[in-house]
Amino acid sequence: LAKTTQPISMDSYEGQEVNITCSHNNIATNDYITWYQQFPSQGPRFIIQGYKTKVTNEVASLFIPADRKSSTLSLPRVSLSDTAVYYCLVGVDTGRRALTFGSGTRLQVQP
Amino acid sequence: DTGVSQNPRHKITKRGQNVTFRCDPISEHNRLYWYRQTLGQGPEFLTYFQNEAQLEKSRLLSDRFSAERPKGSFSTLEIQRTEQGDSAMYLCASSTGPGLNEKLFFGSGTQLSVL
Repeated sequence: LAKTTQPISMDSYEGQEVNITCSHNNIATNDYITWYQQFPSQGPRFIIQGYKTKVTNEVASLFIPADRKSSTLSLPRVSLSDTAVYYCLVGVDTGRRALTFGSGTRLQVQP
Repeated sequence: DTGVSQNPRHKITKRGQNVTFRCDPISEHNRLYWYRQTLGQGPEFLTYFQNEAQLEKSRLLSDRFSAERPKGSFSTLEIQRTEQGDSAMYLCASSTGPGLNEKLFFGSGTQLSVL
């Protein structure tokens, strides 16, 4: 499994853009990069997934450079409700290998 | 799509008692996962099923833990002779995997407190 490294915590203010970078130096050729969001007392929620270049949905954007050794989750114009823990996962199904979460990045958005 | 359902939401038990949690996955999902999460940590993988077959178990899953998924639908996780160290949030997730771009859908978890 590709090990991931994320900042432990980040602070931001409402209306700002937040970029959370995840390092995954030993990512394998077939690995996808997936980000989840977790609020207190809830299970993680899928945000976005990508393989290369850029992916955008209604919630976030995911930027993946050509070497794929890192990825950046971009949250545009955050609000207080974006305060959560964000997890970066890297992995591929091999039939007998489960996705593993790291410790995540705690994002605190202030007014 | 009613989402992944877990019951109960909270469970308080005394040390040494047995507890059982239930997970109902999204109906068309053939994969089901169990994770455990303690305060301030990310979810730790425990085990997963592909339909009714239990394909992988973590070393974290001691002999006191057992999981089943009869008929490949709902799943139960039982903890025998609970210990205070078992206190945690137990999360269930399901997916349509296998696949290169597997996405997990999580329930809200069962919070276990062992006194």
